[in-house]
Amino acid sequence: GNSVTQMEGPVTLSEEAFLTINCTYTATGYPSLFWYVQYPGEGLQLLLKATKADDKGSNKGFEATYRKETTSFHLEKGSVQVSDSAVYFCALVPSLYSGGGADGLTFGKGTHLIIQP
Amino acid sequence: EPEVTQTPSHQVTQMGQEVILRCVPISNHLYFYWYRQILGQKVEFLVSFYNNEISEKSEIFDDQFSVERPDGSNFTLKIRSTKLEDSAMYFCASSEATVEQFFGPGTRLTVL
Repeated sequence: GNSVTQMEGPVTLSEEAFLTINCTYTATGYPSLFWYVQYPGEGLQLLLKATKADDKGSNKGFEATYRKETTSFHLEKGSVQVSDSAVYFCALVPSLYSGGGADGLTFGKGTHLIIQP
Repeated sequence: EPEVTQTPSHQVTQMGQEVILRCVPISNHLYFYWYRQILGQKVEFLVSFYNNEISEKSEIFDDQFSVERPDGSNFTLKIRSTKLEDSAMYFCASSEATVEQFFGPGTRLTVL
């Protein structure tokens, strides 16, 4: 079956540090990949996505590149801010072209990011 | 900007009672989903719904769960006889096609 593995936290960084949160996946075919963010007390917000190999998703200074050869979708940001403190979830959905249909997202366990001033 | 809404934000119930969690998906979306997140754990898929029927469901979605779209706008999750282990945050989501899912703010269910 499908699975997502991401580094567990908490990850604690100082403001303006470089961020990498690793995510690898197992899936058949060509899944679409996502990063969702959950701020304290809130629901899930889509941060970025990539739907095919070598695609780069980007939003709010965050980037992730779909690497099929390494089955990875690592999240990066060049300079983090205190406001980036949240839980980050990597997720996938099966390929639209292999009967993905209305399949649910498969999530990783989440990485709690803490940014200190 | 259109958004998914959920009510109530917090539901407290006694073990064995029935609960109904409500969601209003984004109006032009065709696919609807329920997920749950037990405190401190990952988000888990429960069920997806399309064209007025269940499309996919996980092992978690057993006979005590049911979903319904009663009036063309609401999408509900019913738990017939709640257990302590049903305590979790329940998220509704909807999507226009099948790639990007938009999540509601969640309903926190507490079973006593």
